[in-house]
Amino acid sequence: DAGVTQSPTHLIKTRGQQVTLRCSPKSGHDTVSWYQQALGQGPQFIFQYYEEEERQRGNFPDRFSGHQFPNYSSELNVNALLLGDSALYLCASSFFRGPTEAFFGQGTRLTVV
Amino acid sequence: AQKITQTQPGMFVQEKEAVTLDCTYDTSDPSYGLFWYKQPSSGEMIFLIYQGSYDQQNATEGRYSLNFQKARKSANLVISASQLGDSAMYFCAMREGRGSGYSTLTFGKGTMLLVSP
Repeated sequence: DAGVTQSPTHLIKTRGQQVTLRCSPKSGHDTVSWYQQALGQGPQFIFQYYEEEERQRGNFPDRFSGHQFPNYSSELNVNALLLGDSALYLCASSFFRGPTEAFFGQGTRLTVV
Repeated sequence: AQKITQTQPGMFVQEKEAVTLDCTYDTSDPSYGLFWYKQPSSGEMIFLIYQGSYDQQNATEGRYSLNFQKARKSANLVISASQLGDSAMYFCAMREGRGSGYSTLTFGKGTMLLVSP
């Protein structure tokens, strides 16, 4: 049973560029949440997707957008990259209704230069 | 105000000893869940243990136990018989409200645990 998988694992982008990160949830899970983890900090919630809709959003600008596909996989898009967007981006999957724990992927480390 | 506070930036423990990692939380929601995650240098967040606000007994999972003191709003993680592989960052997190839907995790800043031989 595959857990949460994220791709790519590492990425280097230039300021102003756009980036897309991908996540496949744990088998059976229907909800995907994205978190940003800056160096030395705890993860910060970006947004959550269920039934292909954004259900909750944290305090992040509109440059951050996402999508969920019918197979529950998800993408995180960031436009007009800033140096401050450099972070580990974590995807978590869970059941929308049911067992409470969220399972995380290994993350995508984004470096903006 | 911080919803999750982890006051220990770093902890050192010798192999085979027990260690307690502190976590206090702040919420006015009567229904909430508390989680501990381990994050090794590889980056993946590994779920360790969960305590619901209505659970009468402290949660245990193998060498991990959660010392839940509701009146004090604390949820300390106890690791018994530390192993070298326990060296990692540990995060306390809270989910407010019932169930997974429409609720997200709020994390503390973490505690770095180093286990020495």
